[in-house]
Amino acid sequence: EPEVTQTPSHQVTQMGQEVILRCVPISNHLYFYWYRQILGQKVEFLVSFYNNEISEKSEIFDDQFSVERPDGSNFTLKIRSTKLEDSAMYFCASSGGTGRGNTIYFGEGSWLTVV
Amino acid sequence: GQNIDQPTEMTATEGAIVQINCTYQTSGFNGLFWYQQHAGEAPTFLSYNVLDGLEEKGRFSSFLSRSKGYSYLLLKELQMKDSASYLCAVRFSGGYNKLIFGAGTRLAVHP
Repeated sequence: EPEVTQTPSHQVTQMGQEVILRCVPISNHLYFYWYRQILGQKVEFLVSFYNNEISEKSEIFDDQFSVERPDGSNFTLKIRSTKLEDSAMYFCASSGGTGRGNTIYFGEGSWLTVV
Repeated sequence: GQNIDQPTEMTATEGAIVQINCTYQTSGFNGLFWYQQHAGEAPTFLSYNVLDGLEEKGRFSSFLSRSKGYSYLLLKELQMKDSASYLCAVRFSGGYNKLIFGAGTRLAVHP
Protein backbone atom coordinates (compact mmCIF):
# COMPACT_ATOMS: atom_id res chain seq x y z
CA GLU A 1 0.00 0.00 0.00
CA PRO A 2 1.39 3.44 -0.92
CA GLU A 3 2.59 5.48 2.03
CA VAL A 4 4.01 8.85 2.97
CA THR A 5 7.63 8.58 4.09
CA GLN A 6 9.51 11.04 6.26
CA THR A 7 13.12 11.60 7.24
CA PRO A 8 14.65 11.89 9.73
CA SER A 9 12.58 9.98 12.25
CA HIS A 10 14.30 11.81 15.09
CA GLN A 11 16.42 14.95 15.20
CA VAL A 12 17.97 16.83 18.07
CA THR A 13 19.10 20.35 17.31
CA GLN A 14 20.40 23.35 19.19
CA MET A 15 18.22 26.40 19.60
CA GLY A 16 18.81 28.84 16.75
CA GLN A 17 19.87 26.19 14.27
CA GLU A 18 18.14 25.54 10.97
CA VAL A 19 16.32 22.27 10.48
CA ILE A 20 14.97 20.67 7.31
CA LEU A 21 12.43 17.88 7.55
CA ARG A 22 11.89 15.81 4.43
CA CYS A 23 8.88 14.00 3.09
CA VAL A 24 8.01 11.89 0.09
CA PRO A 25 4.22 12.06 -0.41
CA ILE A 26 2.19 9.32 -2.07
CA SER A 27 3.14 9.41 -5.73
CA ASN A 28 -0.13 10.37 -7.42
CA HIS A 29 -1.21 12.83 -4.74
CA LEU A 30 -1.43 16.51 -5.52
CA TYR A 31 -2.00 18.13 -2.12
CA PHE A 32 0.63 18.15 0.59
CA TYR A 33 0.47 19.20 4.21
CA TRP A 34 2.51 19.62 7.34
CA TYR A 35 0.97 19.14 10.76
CA ARG A 36 2.62 19.09 14.12
CA GLN A 37 1.85 17.58 17.50
CA ILE A 38 3.48 18.85 20.66
CA LEU A 39 3.84 16.05 23.21
CA GLY A 40 0.51 15.38 24.88
CA GLN A 41 -1.38 17.90 22.75
CA LYS A 42 -3.61 17.78 19.70
CA VAL A 43 -2.53 17.51 16.10
CA GLU A 44 -2.30 21.05 14.63
CA PHE A 45 -2.38 22.15 11.02
CA LEU A 46 0.64 24.12 9.80
CA VAL A 47 0.42 24.49 6.03
CA SER A 48 -1.07 23.08 2.85
CA PHE A 49 0.65 23.14 -0.53
CA TYR A 50 -0.74 22.67 -4.01
CA ASN A 51 0.52 23.42 -7.49
CA ASN A 52 3.89 24.54 -6.19
CA GLU A 53 2.58 27.14 -3.82
CA ILE A 54 1.18 27.49 -0.33
CA SER A 55 -2.62 27.29 -0.43
CA GLU A 56 -3.25 27.87 3.26
CA LYS A 57 -1.24 28.34 6.43
CA SER A 58 -1.98 28.62 10.13
CA GLU A 59 -0.89 31.25 12.63
CA ILE A 60 1.84 28.86 13.79
CA PHE A 61 3.45 28.96 10.33
CA ASP A 62 5.30 32.25 10.74
CA ASP A 63 8.31 33.64 8.88
CA GLN A 64 10.59 31.07 10.50
CA PHE A 65 8.89 28.31 8.55
CA SER A 66 9.02 27.59 4.84
CA VAL A 67 8.06 24.72 2.57
CA GLU A 68 9.41 23.65 -0.75
CA ARG A 69 8.92 20.98 -3.37
CA PRO A 70 12.44 20.93 -4.80
CA ASP A 71 11.76 18.12 -7.27
CA GLY A 72 8.94 15.86 -8.39
CA SER A 73 8.92 13.69 -5.31
CA ASN A 74 10.17 15.51 -2.19
CA PHE A 75 8.34 18.00 0.01
CA THR A 76 10.33 19.76 2.72
CA LEU A 77 9.64 21.83 5.81
CA LYS A 78 12.39 24.22 6.89
CA ILE A 79 12.55 25.90 10.26
CA ARG A 80 15.06 28.71 9.90
CA SER A 81 16.00 29.39 13.52
CA THR A 82 14.58 26.82 15.90
CA LYS A 83 13.12 27.71 19.26
CA LEU A 84 12.55 25.46 22.26
CA GLU A 85 8.79 25.56 21.62
CA ASP A 86 9.33 24.06 18.15
CA SER A 87 9.98 20.71 19.82
CA ALA A 88 7.22 18.45 18.51
CA MET A 89 6.38 15.58 16.20
CA TYR A 90 6.03 16.92 12.66
CA PHE A 91 3.76 14.96 10.35
CA CYS A 92 3.78 15.25 6.59
CA ALA A 93 0.56 14.27 4.86
CA SER A 94 -0.84 14.08 1.37
CA SER A 95 -4.16 13.65 -0.41
CA GLY A 96 -5.33 13.08 -3.95
CA GLY A 97 -7.61 16.09 -3.98
CA THR A 98 -9.86 18.30 -1.91
CA GLY A 99 -13.17 16.83 -2.94
CA ARG A 100 -15.32 14.77 -0.66
CA GLY A 101 -13.75 11.51 0.24
CA ASN A 102 -10.18 12.54 -0.46
CA THR A 103 -8.56 11.16 2.61
CA ILE A 104 -5.43 12.70 4.06
CA TYR A 105 -2.72 10.10 4.71
CA PHE A 106 -0.04 10.80 7.27
CA GLY A 107 3.62 9.87 7.37
CA GLU A 108 5.25 8.30 10.41
CA GLY A 109 6.46 11.66 11.64
CA SER A 110 9.73 13.38 12.43
CA TRP A 111 10.35 13.92 16.11
CA LEU A 112 12.20 17.21 16.60
CA THR A 113 13.81 18.08 19.91
CA VAL A 114 15.27 21.58 20.30
CA VAL A 115 17.74 21.94 23.17
CA GLY B 1 -13.58 28.98 16.65
CA GLN B 2 -13.94 25.52 15.16
CA ASN B 3 -13.94 23.45 18.35
CA ILE B 4 -13.97 19.69 18.15
CA ASP B 5 -14.92 18.05 21.45
CA GLN B 6 -14.41 14.45 22.48
CA PRO B 7 -13.90 12.72 25.83
CA THR B 8 -10.34 12.67 27.12
CA GLU B 9 -10.19 9.06 28.28
CA MET B 10 -12.23 5.88 28.17
CA THR B 11 -11.69 2.36 29.42
CA ALA B 12 -13.27 -0.86 28.20
CA THR B 13 -12.91 -4.60 28.49
CA GLU B 14 -11.52 -6.93 25.86
CA GLY B 15 -14.36 -8.32 23.72
CA ALA B 16 -16.74 -5.49 24.59
CA ILE B 17 -18.13 -2.61 22.52
CA VAL B 18 -17.18 1.02 23.05
CA GLN B 19 -18.59 4.21 21.56
CA ILE B 20 -16.45 7.35 21.30
CA ASN B 21 -18.40 10.55 20.72
CA CYS B 22 -17.36 13.72 18.94
CA THR B 23 -19.19 17.03 18.65
CA TYR B 24 -18.30 19.95 16.40
CA GLN B 25 -19.58 23.26 15.13
CA THR B 26 -21.94 22.67 12.21
CA SER B 27 -21.22 25.86 10.28
CA GLY B 28 -19.17 25.11 7.16
CA PHE B 29 -18.97 21.38 7.82
CA ASN B 30 -17.51 19.44 4.90
CA GLY B 31 -16.61 16.00 6.20
CA LEU B 32 -15.50 14.17 9.33
CA PHE B 33 -12.63 11.73 9.73
CA TRP B 34 -11.67 9.31 12.47
CA TYR B 35 -8.03 8.39 12.94
CA GLN B 36 -6.32 5.95 15.29
CA GLN B 37 -3.03 7.00 16.85
CA HIS B 38 -0.76 4.79 18.92
CA ALA B 39 1.66 6.63 21.17
CA GLY B 40 4.54 8.15 19.23
CA GLU B 41 3.12 7.07 15.88
CA ALA B 42 1.26 8.66 12.99
CA PRO B 43 -2.51 8.99 12.82
CA THR B 44 -3.91 6.10 10.78
CA PHE B 45 -7.12 6.63 8.80
CA LEU B 46 -10.14 4.69 10.07
CA SER B 47 -13.26 6.20 8.53
CA TYR B 48 -14.86 9.11 6.74
CA ASN B 49 -18.41 10.50 6.96
CA VAL B 50 -19.89 13.36 5.01
CA LEU B 51 -23.55 12.26 4.80
CA ASP B 52 -25.81 11.34 7.71
CA GLY B 53 -25.82 7.74 8.78
CA LEU B 54 -23.62 4.84 9.64
CA GLU B 55 -20.50 3.72 7.77
CA GLU B 56 -19.41 0.20 8.69
CA LYS B 57 -15.92 -1.18 8.19
CA GLY B 58 -15.31 -4.49 9.87
CA ARG B 59 -15.11 -4.05 13.65
CA PHE B 60 -15.25 -0.27 13.32
CA SER B 61 -18.29 1.85 12.43
CA SER B 62 -18.75 5.59 12.35
CA PHE B 63 -21.98 7.56 12.55
CA LEU B 64 -22.74 11.15 11.59
CA SER B 65 -25.61 13.53 12.27
CA ARG B 66 -24.89 16.79 10.48
CA SER B 67 -27.84 18.67 11.98
CA LYS B 68 -26.65 17.86 15.51
CA GLY B 69 -22.95 18.33 14.81
CA TYR B 70 -22.35 14.87 16.23
CA SER B 71 -20.43 11.76 15.31
CA TYR B 72 -19.42 8.59 17.05
CA LEU B 73 -16.93 5.84 16.43
CA LEU B 74 -18.08 2.38 17.47
CA LEU B 75 -15.51 -0.31 18.12
CA LYS B 76 -16.78 -3.87 18.48
CA GLU B 77 -15.09 -7.05 19.78
CA LEU B 78 -12.39 -4.98 21.39
CA GLN B 79 -8.85 -6.30 21.33
CA MET B 80 -5.88 -5.25 23.44
CA LYS B 81 -4.25 -3.75 20.34
CA ASP B 82 -7.16 -1.28 20.10
CA SER B 83 -5.67 0.58 23.06
CA ALA B 84 -4.76 3.89 21.41
CA SER B 85 -5.93 7.46 20.98
CA TYR B 86 -8.84 8.02 18.63
CA LEU B 87 -8.84 11.37 16.87
CA CYS B 88 -11.91 13.06 15.48
CA ALA B 89 -11.02 15.53 12.70
CA VAL B 90 -13.33 17.82 10.76
CA ARG B 91 -12.87 19.43 7.38
CA PHE B 92 -14.58 22.78 7.01
CA SER B 93 -15.44 24.38 3.69
CA GLY B 94 -13.24 27.22 2.59
CA GLY B 95 -10.08 25.48 3.71
CA TYR B 96 -7.84 23.62 1.30
CA ASN B 97 -8.67 20.23 2.79
CA LYS B 98 -7.30 21.39 6.14
CA LEU B 99 -8.37 19.17 9.03
CA ILE B 100 -9.15 20.50 12.49
CA PHE B 101 -8.43 17.84 15.07
CA GLY B 102 -9.99 17.19 18.43
CA ALA B 103 -7.69 16.49 21.34
CA GLY B 104 -8.25 12.77 20.97
CA THR B 105 -9.79 10.11 23.21
CA ARG B 106 -7.32 7.79 24.90
CA LEU B 107 -8.86 4.31 25.02
CA ALA B 108 -7.48 1.69 27.38
CA VAL B 109 -8.62 -1.88 26.76
CA HIS B 110 -8.26 -4.22 29.76
CA PRO B 111 -8.35 -8.03 29.81
